[in-house]
Amino acid sequence: DVKVTQSSRYLVKRTGEKVFLECVQDMDHENMFWYRQDPGLGLRLIYFSYDVKMKEKGDIPEGYSVSREKKERFSLILESASTNQTSMYLCASSFRLYEQYFGPGTRLTVT
Amino acid sequence: GQQLNQSPQSMFIQEGEDVSMNCTSSSIFNTWLWYKQEPGEGPVLLIALYKAGELTSNGRLTAQFGITRKDSFLNISASIPSDVGIYFCAGSNTGNQFYFGTGTSLTVIP
Repeated sequence: DVKVTQSSRYLVKRTGEKVFLECVQDMDHENMFWYRQDPGLGLRLIYFSYDVKMKEKGDIPEGYSVSREKKERFSLILESASTNQTSMYLCASSFRLYEQYFGPGTRLTVT
Repeated sequence: GQQLNQSPQSMFIQEGEDVSMNCTSSSIFNTWLWYKQEPGEGPVLLIALYKAGELTSNGRLTAQFGITRKDSFLNISASIPSDVGIYFCAGSNTGNQFYFGTGTSLTVIP
């Protein structure tokens, strides 16, 4: 079974803090993705990576950056957290053109 | 970014009833995926479709890749309480980026 794990299920941070969200997959997938999920808006793509050290902006990259130093790990960074970044963050991975598998999500609250 | 139109937005049905939902896009897709998400969890992949007209089943779930390649359908037969959740469609024409519907919330009344 494909396993995608995320470092925290729940996280509370203060405005202005730097926040790291970690994602690890164990299936040697090339592609990894970060989404945020908000009620009524569905899943929106923040960044994705199709190889180590490669990254592509998704639909809403502003206020976020990513890092992929190893194939199995994809990190999402909020340089200076703001309250409008309170959301559910979902990581996913896939092999080439095929189906994406999601982690359990991190619910981030910024106060 | 592109968003898919998914309908209905919510459904309240009796246990044992069949369920149908659909997803439409303004663009042609090469891949359609259907996911189920339970509260507090990440989406779980149910069915993947790769060819126009394809009909694929997973237990009581059946999904179809529309022949226009701009739509997809999911049916659940003989619903049970554990079918409760939000069902998402996702489509891709590049393989790297998927676009998601806003979800259909399903409630099954015992």
